[in-house]
Amino acid sequence: AQRVTQPEKLLSVFKGAPVELKCNYSYSGSPELFWYVQYSRQRLQLLLRHISRESIKGFTADLNKGETSFHLKKPFAQEEDSAMYYCALSGQGGSGDKLTFGTGTRLAVRP
Amino acid sequence: KAGVTQTPRYLIKTRGQQVTLSCSPISGHRSVSWYQQTPGQGLQFLFEYFSETQRNKGNFPGRFSGRQFSNSRSEMNVSTLELGDSALYLCASSLGDNYSPLHFGNGTRLTVT
Repeated sequence: AQRVTQPEKLLSVFKGAPVELKCNYSYSGSPELFWYVQYSRQRLQLLLRHISRESIKGFTADLNKGETSFHLKKPFAQEEDSAMYYCALSGQGGSGDKLTFGTGTRLAVRP
Repeated sequence: KAGVTQTPRYLIKTRGQQVTLSCSPISGHRSVSWYQQTPGQGLQFLFEYFSETQRNKGNFPGRFSGRQFSNSRSEMNVSTLELGDSALYLCASSLGDNYSPLHFGNGTRLTVT
Protein backbone atom coordinates (compact mmCIF):
# COMPACT_ATOMS: atom_id res chain seq x y z
CA ALA A 1 0.00 0.00 0.00
CA GLN A 2 1.17 3.52 -0.63
CA ARG A 3 1.04 6.18 2.02
CA VAL A 4 2.04 9.84 2.30
CA THR A 5 2.66 11.51 5.64
CA GLN A 6 2.81 15.23 6.27
CA PRO A 7 3.50 15.51 9.98
CA GLU A 8 2.72 19.22 10.36
CA LYS A 9 -0.82 20.53 10.04
CA LEU A 10 0.34 24.12 10.37
CA LEU A 11 3.65 25.80 9.78
CA SER A 12 3.95 29.46 10.68
CA VAL A 13 7.02 31.48 9.70
CA PHE A 14 7.98 35.12 9.31
CA LYS A 15 8.49 36.68 5.90
CA GLY A 16 12.05 36.12 4.76
CA ALA A 17 12.57 33.02 6.89
CA PRO A 18 13.41 29.64 5.35
CA VAL A 19 10.60 27.15 4.88
CA GLU A 20 10.63 23.37 4.90
CA LEU A 21 7.41 21.43 4.52
CA LYS A 22 7.98 17.80 5.37
CA CYS A 23 6.71 14.85 3.38
CA ASN A 24 7.51 11.19 3.93
CA TYR A 25 6.16 8.35 1.86
CA SER A 26 5.77 4.62 1.94
CA TYR A 27 5.82 2.71 -1.32
CA SER A 28 7.49 -0.51 -2.31
CA GLY A 29 8.25 0.43 -5.90
CA SER A 30 9.68 3.49 -7.58
CA PRO A 31 7.38 6.43 -6.81
CA GLU A 32 6.60 9.62 -8.60
CA LEU A 33 6.14 12.50 -6.20
CA PHE A 34 4.37 15.81 -6.51
CA TRP A 35 3.57 18.90 -4.51
CA TYR A 36 0.16 20.51 -5.01
CA VAL A 37 -0.86 23.88 -3.59
CA GLN A 38 -4.18 25.51 -2.86
CA TYR A 39 -4.21 29.26 -2.37
CA SER A 40 -7.16 30.93 -0.68
CA ARG A 41 -10.30 30.75 -2.85
CA GLN A 42 -8.42 29.02 -5.66
CA ARG A 43 -8.47 25.49 -6.91
CA LEU A 44 -5.88 22.87 -6.13
CA GLN A 45 -2.99 23.10 -8.59
CA LEU A 46 0.32 21.43 -9.27
CA LEU A 47 3.32 23.21 -7.78
CA LEU A 48 6.11 20.89 -8.82
CA ARG A 49 7.02 17.26 -9.46
CA HIS A 50 10.25 15.52 -8.73
CA ILE A 51 10.73 14.16 -12.23
CA SER A 52 11.08 17.71 -13.57
CA ARG A 53 13.77 18.72 -11.06
CA GLU A 54 12.49 22.26 -11.37
CA SER A 55 12.17 25.26 -9.09
CA ILE A 56 8.76 26.90 -9.07
CA LYS A 57 8.14 30.20 -7.27
CA GLY A 58 11.44 29.61 -5.48
CA PHE A 59 10.37 26.22 -4.14
CA THR A 60 12.40 23.06 -4.64
CA ALA A 61 11.95 19.48 -3.53
CA ASP A 62 14.45 16.65 -3.63
CA LEU A 63 13.48 13.02 -3.58
CA ASN A 64 15.51 11.15 -0.95
CA LYS A 65 14.89 7.46 -1.50
CA GLY A 66 17.02 6.45 1.47
CA GLU A 67 14.90 8.50 3.86
CA THR A 68 11.74 8.10 1.74
CA SER A 69 11.20 11.83 1.88
CA PHE A 70 10.25 14.61 -0.52
CA HIS A 71 10.47 17.77 1.56
CA LEU A 72 9.49 21.10 0.01
CA LYS A 73 11.90 23.96 0.64
CA LYS A 74 12.17 27.66 0.02
CA PRO A 75 15.03 29.79 1.32
CA PHE A 76 13.03 33.00 1.86
CA ALA A 77 9.29 32.82 2.45
CA GLN A 78 6.95 35.45 1.03
CA GLU A 79 3.49 36.38 2.27
CA GLU A 80 1.98 35.18 -1.00
CA ASP A 81 3.28 31.69 -0.22
CA SER A 82 0.59 31.34 2.44
CA ALA A 83 -1.52 28.40 1.30
CA MET A 84 -2.35 24.76 1.86
CA TYR A 85 0.32 22.40 0.54
CA TYR A 86 -0.25 18.74 -0.29
CA CYS A 87 2.37 16.15 -1.02
CA ALA A 88 1.19 13.38 -3.36
CA LEU A 89 2.52 10.08 -4.62
CA SER A 90 1.78 8.16 -7.77
CA GLY A 91 2.76 4.55 -7.95
CA GLN A 92 1.20 3.96 -11.35
CA GLY A 93 4.08 4.73 -13.64
CA GLY A 94 3.91 8.39 -12.87
CA SER A 95 0.73 9.06 -14.77
CA GLY A 96 -0.54 11.15 -11.93
CA ASP A 97 -4.04 9.93 -12.40
CA LYS A 98 -4.16 7.93 -9.21
CA LEU A 99 -2.58 10.06 -6.56
CA THR A 100 -2.30 9.33 -2.88
CA PHE A 101 -2.31 12.62 -1.01
CA GLY A 102 -0.97 13.56 2.35
CA THR A 103 -3.26 15.37 4.78
CA GLY A 104 -1.72 18.71 3.91
CA THR A 105 0.23 21.42 5.70
CA ARG A 106 -1.05 24.94 6.00
CA LEU A 107 1.75 27.44 5.58
CA ALA A 108 1.18 30.83 7.15
CA VAL A 109 3.77 33.51 6.37
CA ARG A 110 3.59 36.44 8.74
CA PRO A 111 4.76 39.94 7.78
CA LYS B 1 -8.49 27.13 -22.43
CA ALA B 2 -11.41 26.77 -20.07
CA GLY B 3 -10.58 24.98 -16.85
CA VAL B 4 -12.21 21.93 -15.36
CA THR B 5 -15.85 22.69 -14.64
CA GLN B 6 -17.87 20.94 -11.99
CA THR B 7 -21.61 21.25 -11.50
CA PRO B 8 -23.38 21.90 -9.31
CA ARG B 9 -21.21 23.81 -6.84
CA TYR B 10 -23.41 22.93 -3.87
CA LEU B 11 -25.87 20.16 -3.13
CA ILE B 12 -27.98 19.34 -0.12
CA LYS B 13 -29.52 15.89 0.03
CA THR B 14 -31.09 13.70 2.68
CA ARG B 15 -30.02 10.25 3.77
CA GLY B 16 -31.09 7.50 1.43
CA GLN B 17 -31.27 9.69 -1.65
CA GLN B 18 -28.95 9.44 -4.59
CA VAL B 19 -26.96 12.18 -6.29
CA THR B 20 -25.16 12.76 -9.58
CA LEU B 21 -22.23 15.12 -9.96
CA SER B 22 -20.89 16.31 -13.28
CA CYS B 23 -17.42 17.19 -14.50
CA SER B 24 -16.32 18.73 -17.79
CA PRO B 25 -12.57 18.30 -18.36
CA ILE B 26 -10.18 20.61 -20.13
CA SER B 27 -10.52 20.28 -23.88
CA GLY B 28 -8.24 17.52 -25.14
CA HIS B 29 -7.91 15.78 -21.79
CA ARG B 30 -9.00 12.16 -21.89
CA SER B 31 -8.51 11.24 -18.25
CA VAL B 32 -10.90 12.28 -15.49
CA SER B 33 -10.31 11.42 -11.84
CA TRP B 34 -12.55 11.93 -8.84
CA TYR B 35 -11.48 12.64 -5.28
CA GLN B 36 -13.34 13.03 -2.01
CA GLN B 37 -12.05 15.67 0.39
CA THR B 38 -13.06 15.74 4.04
CA PRO B 39 -11.47 17.41 7.09
CA GLY B 40 -10.86 14.06 8.74
CA GLN B 41 -9.61 11.94 5.83
CA GLY B 42 -8.16 14.57 3.53
CA LEU B 43 -8.11 13.85 -0.21
CA GLN B 44 -9.03 10.31 -1.13
CA PHE B 45 -9.01 8.84 -4.61
CA LEU B 46 -12.35 7.50 -5.84
CA PHE B 47 -11.75 6.42 -9.44
CA GLU B 48 -10.29 7.41 -12.76
CA TYR B 49 -11.72 7.12 -16.25
CA PHE B 50 -9.81 7.17 -19.48
CA SER B 51 -11.48 6.97 -22.88
CA GLU B 52 -14.78 5.91 -21.31
CA THR B 53 -13.21 3.07 -19.32
CA GLN B 54 -12.58 2.92 -15.61
CA ARG B 55 -8.81 2.56 -15.36
CA ASN B 56 -8.24 2.89 -11.61
CA LYS B 57 -10.43 2.53 -8.56
CA GLY B 58 -9.99 3.54 -4.94
CA ASN B 59 -11.31 1.88 -1.81
CA PHE B 60 -14.86 3.15 -1.75
CA PRO B 61 -18.05 1.08 -1.52
CA GLY B 62 -20.06 0.19 -4.58
CA ARG B 63 -22.53 3.00 -3.80
CA PHE B 64 -19.99 5.24 -5.49
CA SER B 65 -19.90 4.85 -9.23
CA GLY B 66 -19.01 6.85 -12.26
CA ARG B 67 -18.92 6.95 -15.98
CA GLN B 68 -17.31 8.85 -18.80
CA PHE B 69 -18.86 9.87 -22.07
CA SER B 70 -17.34 9.98 -25.53
CA ASN B 71 -16.65 13.71 -25.16
CA SER B 72 -14.65 12.91 -21.97
CA ARG B 73 -17.21 14.52 -19.69
CA SER B 74 -17.71 12.46 -16.56
CA GLU B 75 -20.40 11.91 -13.98
CA MET B 76 -20.16 10.49 -10.52
CA ASN B 77 -23.13 8.92 -8.78
CA VAL B 78 -23.61 8.16 -5.13
CA SER B 79 -26.60 6.04 -4.17
CA THR B 80 -28.23 5.53 -0.78
CA LEU B 81 -26.52 8.58 0.69
CA GLU B 82 -25.13 8.45 4.21
CA LEU B 83 -24.26 11.32 6.53
CA GLY B 84 -20.59 10.41 6.14
CA ASP B 85 -20.77 11.13 2.42
CA SER B 86 -20.86 14.84 3.17
CA ALA B 87 -17.69 16.17 1.56
CA LEU B 88 -16.14 18.23 -1.19
CA TYR B 89 -15.93 16.14 -4.33
CA LEU B 90 -13.13 17.16 -6.67
CA CYS B 91 -12.75 16.25 -10.28
CA ALA B 92 -9.41 16.45 -12.06
CA SER B 93 -8.52 16.00 -15.69
CA SER B 94 -5.27 15.25 -17.46
CA LEU B 95 -3.92 13.98 -20.73
CA GLY B 96 -3.73 10.59 -19.06
CA ASP B 97 -0.23 9.78 -20.18
CA ASN B 98 2.76 9.37 -17.87
CA TYR B 99 3.73 12.39 -15.83
CA SER B 100 0.87 14.64 -16.98
CA PRO B 101 -0.24 16.85 -14.10
CA LEU B 102 -3.78 16.85 -12.81
CA HIS B 103 -5.92 19.94 -13.32
CA PHE B 104 -8.58 20.26 -10.65
CA GLY B 105 -12.04 21.77 -10.69
CA ASN B 106 -13.47 23.87 -7.88
CA GLY B 107 -15.43 20.93 -6.55
CA THR B 108 -18.99 20.14 -5.60
CA ARG B 109 -19.81 20.47 -1.92
CA LEU B 110 -22.29 17.79 -0.94
CA THR B 111 -24.13 18.01 2.37
CA VAL B 112 -26.19 15.04 3.50
CA THR B 113 -28.73 15.69 6.25
